[in-house]
Amino acid sequence: GIQVEQSPPDLILQEGANSTLRCNFSDSVNNLQWFHQNPWGQLINLFYIPSGTKQNGRLSATTVATERYSLLYISSSQTTDSGVYFCAVRAGTASKLTFGTGTRLQVTL
Amino acid sequence: EAQVTQNPRYLITVTGKKLTVTCSQNMNHEYMSWYRQDPGLGLRQIYYSMNVEVTDKGDVPEGYKVSRKEKRNFPLILESPSPNQTSLYFCASSSIRVGNEQFFGPGTRLTVL
Repeated sequence: GIQVEQSPPDLILQEGANSTLRCNFSDSVNNLQWFHQNPWGQLINLFYIPSGTKQNGRLSATTVATERYSLLYISSSQTTDSGVYFCAVRAGTASKLTFGTGTRLQVTL
Repeated sequence: EAQVTQNPRYLITVTGKKLTVTCSQNMNHEYMSWYRQDPGLGLRQIYYSMNVEVTDKGDVPEGYKVSRKEKRNFPLILESPSPNQTSLYFCASSSIRVGNEQFFGPGTRLTVL
């Protein structure tokens, strides 16, 4: 099956700093999503981005499907950004999303 | 508000006592799915449904049942729960009409003693 790798696995930032999270996948995909899992365990949809670039406030994402990677940018980080960020993909006729192992982000004051 | 809801959000039960976790979506999505999340194993699909009365096994279906009698509801049934089913469970829905973006419920944290 498709493999999804995320880097870095852990990240500690001071409030106000910027960061880039990376997601590499091993095959062509027709769905790629970024999620934020908050400290209460909820999965929050950030982006649906099988290709191209999108922005939502301080967050933006870019997927280069031909090179099989996606990037999530967080600017001016806040403590509420803390949690785990997941990339998830769907390939071919698969019914499920395959999740990466996540990047655990901690934003400190 | 478009959403996926799950109930209960938290449940502590004992081995062998049948339970049902409900899932409902109000977006008229044809596709619904259940995942479980465990430390070190990530999120794994349990069962999915492409439409009413159409269900199929995911990666870890053992010990679970589902049904899809109505488009909006997709309950997860544990006939005889065991401690290895202690996990965080998520229901999700999507529609090919809007690109198959999956929307997740808030999660159900289940502990089986």
